[in-house]
Amino acid sequence: GEEVAQTPKHLVRGEGQKAKLYCAPIKGHSYVFWYQQVLKNEFKFLISFQNENVFDETGMPKERFSAKCLPNSPCSLEIQATKLEDSAVYFCASSPFDEQYFGPGTRLTVT
Amino acid sequence: GIQVEQSPPDLILQEGANSTLRCNFSDSVNNLQWFHQNPWGQLINLFYIPSGTKQNGRLSATTVATERYSLLYISSSQTTDSGVYFCAVEETSGSRLTFGEGTQLTVNP
Repeated sequence: GEEVAQTPKHLVRGEGQKAKLYCAPIKGHSYVFWYQQVLKNEFKFLISFQNENVFDETGMPKERFSAKCLPNSPCSLEIQATKLEDSAVYFCASSPFDEQYFGPGTRLTVT
Repeated sequence: GIQVEQSPPDLILQEGANSTLRCNFSDSVNNLQWFHQNPWGQLINLFYIPSGTKQNGRLSATTVATERYSLLYISSSQTTDSGVYFCAVEETSGSRLTFGEGTQLTVNP
């Protein structure tokens, strides 16, 4: 597609539950990025992929967060045992190699 | 890591006014992008501008890479321009974007 698609738009989880977010990058883009917008104006990088390979995972809290980008499937970001502090908007972006294009985001609320 | 500073943090304008937003970065970059986050939270690409000047309608941007800053100009502002404007830089090709803290713009009718 011509736009980055993210599902679901909103997700509510009780503390300790699992959350799984999905991202379909723009067709032909080889890079996929996940960012977390916690406070209104603060973006935190989580992880990036080049095709299905992890490119940079230095932003990931590895004990609870995992991500995949498999061929012919949407990319996914999974949070095991969610915490209140995980409440945020999670953005996915894709890129051919330079300009990044962002999806509409998934708002995760942990109660 | 690279630091990105935006100014001013907040800006209130009357419709029709012009404004300039600034982005300073602490090291050389491969890429610089300007985004508008509208009140619904969507991040809209405004410019991909690692260097030089670009114009798109009432908006234009200039990046002086050697001096490590970029400027976003908004002319004849409209209420729909309201939202947060972010500058983000990429240090090497294919790497993460590092965002500034944004400029909150409010345009009053």
